[in-house]
Amino acid sequence: SQQGEEDPQALSIQEGENATMNCSYKTSINNLQWYRQNSGRGLVHLILIRSNEREKHSGRLRVTLDTSKKSSSLLITASRAADTASYFCATKQCKETSGSRLTFGEGTQLTVNP
Amino acid sequence: DGGITQSPKYLFRKEGQNVTLSCEQNLNHDAMYWYRQDPGQGLRLIYYSQIVNDFQKGDIAEGYSVSREKKESFPLTVTSAQKNPTAFYLCASSLLGGTYEQYFGPGTRLTVT
Repeated sequence: SQQGEEDPQALSIQEGENATMNCSYKTSINNLQWYRQNSGRGLVHLILIRSNEREKHSGRLRVTLDTSKKSSSLLITASRAADTASYFCATKQCKETSGSRLTFGEGTQLTVNP
Repeated sequence: DGGITQSPKYLFRKEGQNVTLSCEQNLNHDAMYWYRQDPGQGLRLIYYSQIVNDFQKGDIAEGYSVSREKKESFPLTVTSAQKNPTAFYLCASSLLGGTYEQYFGPGTRLTVT
């Protein structure tokens, strides 16, 4: 399995509902980041949570990190059709040799139906 | 996509030809990255650079080459040795250290026939 695996692979909800996506990873991390990608576009950074943080909020986004379980979740509240996109988690490993690189997961495809 | 540009957006090549994808950033970032994305998949790191005139292989460097002669530019060459070059290629940049977000370009979709 890869470092950074999202669950579920695909999620379809109605507008106004909450969407929860999960990410698991294998090695110790410095931080975990969530990105969004609209179809055929580049990724956009959403939020970064450091290894010593447990929860972070940004607007309708809430991210949690459980380093003991090596997992993170991204909650989008009151979803809108415009939230339809793929969401990726990315981890910065603690290894000194990893430099500035991040390791991305496979992504969750979120569809919000109007 | 602000601050980092990739060109062209779509690129078509015949098998056996080398092709170079452009990536430029005006964010004054030291680190730059090239990723490959296949349909419905995540991002796989091809090469990254943390300083001018230096770069490191990522997870799938075979069949690709890069250069970093200027801080602003990190072109990627897809050589004829790359077995399955058709993919979506994303360039990104960031400050050094890995505790900062990466900024992505709009991507180049390469089709090789």
